[in-house]
Amino acid sequence: DAKTTQPPSMDCAEGRAANLPCNHSTISGNEYVYWYRQIHSQGPQYIIHGLKNNETNEMASLIITEDRKSSTLILPHATLRDTAVYYCIVRTNDYKLSFGAGTTVTVRA
Amino acid sequence: DAGVIQSPRHEVTEMGQEVTLRCKPISGHDYLFWYRQTMMRGLELLIYFNNNVPIDDSGMPEDRFSAKMPNASFSTLKIQPSEPRDSAVYFCASSLRGRSSGNTIYFGEGSWLTVV
Repeated sequence: DAKTTQPPSMDCAEGRAANLPCNHSTISGNEYVYWYRQIHSQGPQYIIHGLKNNETNEMASLIITEDRKSSTLILPHATLRDTAVYYCIVRTNDYKLSFGAGTTVTVRA
Repeated sequence: DAGVIQSPRHEVTEMGQEVTLRCKPISGHDYLFWYRQTMMRGLELLIYFNNNVPIDDSGMPEDRFSAKMPNASFSTLKIQPSEPRDSAVYFCASSLRGRSSGNTIYFGEGSWLTVV
């Protein structure tokens, strides 16, 4: 699997957009970008995924650069409940996920 | 819909005892994964199954660990004998192979194991 690089931590103000960057410069053409988050003491939770195009769902938006070497997860209106560790994962077709260290996001009131 | 169900949620056992963790995947899912999470090593994939058949067990740490999936709705992860270094949160997850873009893995709430 291609490796990803994320900042170890970031803060965000409640109600503001949170933009979480991820670098995956060695990604290959058939690899998807997945985002998961893990709130303390809970199992990882799926957020969104994409291949080439930008994606949006009820939780977040995913912006993937044209060369696919990086992406940004956008939480449009962060709340205190969005405080979690966010994982950016590049996944091949072998159906497994390999987690890195992720970004610890703290949303402050 | 019920998610992935794991039991027990918490277990404290003595070193040397056998530990059995159980998992019920989401109905209809054909992939099942066992992960372990520790502070030192983060989330590690231990083993995964497709249609009840183990596909990749390269993450299983040693012979003390074994996993089975006797049917599509049940899997176990067994540690025998347990050691203090096995203390961790063990997550089970499942997914359905899809023909469209990717497929999503859904996680259970984990089994918190403490070996004393």
